[in-house]
Amino acid sequence: DGGITQSPKYLFRKEGQNVTLSCEQNLNHDAMYWYRQDPGQGLRLIYYSQIVNDFQKGDIAEGYSVSREKKESFPLTVTSAQKNPTAFYLCASSIGQSWYFGPGTRLLVL
Amino acid sequence: AQSVTQPDIHITVSEGASLELRCNYSYGATPYLFWYVQSPGQGLQLLLKYFSGDTLVQGIKGFEAEFKRSQSSFNLRKPSVHWSDAAEYFCAVGASGGTSYGKLTFGQGTILTVHP
Repeated sequence: DGGITQSPKYLFRKEGQNVTLSCEQNLNHDAMYWYRQDPGQGLRLIYYSQIVNDFQKGDIAEGYSVSREKKESFPLTVTSAQKNPTAFYLCASSIGQSWYFGPGTRLLVL
Repeated sequence: AQSVTQPDIHITVSEGASLELRCNYSYGATPYLFWYVQSPGQGLQLLLKYFSGDTLVQGIKGFEAEFKRSQSSFNLRKPSVHWSDAAEYFCAVGASGGTSYGKLTFGQGTILTVHP
């Protein structure tokens, strides 16, 4: 089945540590996205990539980094510079105006 | 840049009652509009979308939405709510061109509670 895989479902991080969230898609989509979800704030765009080896900052990129070395993979690193990283993170891919979302990763800072 | 406002943070309805969730958008050209639903701890499921043509759009699970350009609105409706409809609903707008092309912007979400 084609789709988007995010792992793990839950991730715990100690303060001061970097952590990387995985996102893999087998839909052969060029475009991929990372969104952060907080209660009452909807989904906010962190980074997006329209093609391999290229990516752009979204609305809340500070404290995050990404890479796009392969078409199917778009990992997100939450760095220690992100002051409030506890949130639900959703990865998506798109073709034309059709978006597909992964199941999400919940990041908790201990 | 585009933006979306969902004025109602939380709505409670009785099972069997009708439902309308409000969505207002801001975008300079004809937008692409979407409604998604999210159950707790889950990803997003597309309910329906509007690109062009008929302004009344039918979606899954008995939902429909109407695009009103004059009001910059895309409200979601259901004539009779089921307990399984309890979830959070998101309206989103996609740019049809320009520098924001390919970006999807979401509203704040509306939590729907259904009483038996």
